[in-house]
Amino acid sequence: ILNVEQSPQSLHVQEGDSTNFTCSFPSSNFYALHWYRWETAKSPEALFVMTLNGDEKKKGRISATLNTKEGYSYLYIKGSQPEDSATYLCAWGNTDKLIFGTGTRLQVFP
Amino acid sequence: DSGVTQTPKHLITATGQRVTLRCSPRSGDLSVYWYQQSLDQGLQFLIQYYNGEERAKGNILERFSAQQFPDLHSELNLSSLELGDSALYFCASSLPGQTSTDTQYFGPGTRLTVL
Repeated sequence: ILNVEQSPQSLHVQEGDSTNFTCSFPSSNFYALHWYRWETAKSPEALFVMTLNGDEKKKGRISATLNTKEGYSYLYIKGSQPEDSATYLCAWGNTDKLIFGTGTRLQVFP
Repeated sequence: DSGVTQTPKHLITATGQRVTLRCSPRSGDLSVYWYQQSLDQGLQFLIQYYNGEERAKGNILERFSAQQFPDLHSELNLSSLELGDSALYFCASSLPGQTSTDTQYFGPGTRLTVL
């Protein structure tokens, strides 16, 4: 069974806190790891695609790292803002499909 | 706005019925993907079409079928509907390339409720 797992399931932080979450995926047959941001009542929006072990990507206050040998990726948000409240999905790129995790739901309180 | 459109936004129907969901990809994208999001489950990949041809299949039930037309829009047909088919159905599109590494752009989804 090819499983992509995300933790924690949900997270509540105060505005200004930095936070991070984990995506675990099978380390064999790795092609790519995707991160998406999914706000309530909207559609998932792509953040990053990472393909190489050790890859680090950054977009504003959000960054991600990738370890393909051990099968995990971290997403970091520095100085969380209320507008960062969303579900963050990761997806493991297999040969012909993306397999999504169930997401980490982040709520940032002002 | 991703550029991917889906209609209808909401659909309420009864068990045993058949419905068709429609998706128009971003301009220039040749691949269309269909996903199902049920309560407490991740996005489940159903099927992918590339330039009119089926390219990959996921956990799609036999009661479900899809096609991609020459103008590249796609339709997902769901028949003999059951209560458990109630879900949010997303369509996504991407440029021609490699499925595993291409960014997929998601439409707004169709929420299907089966009563």
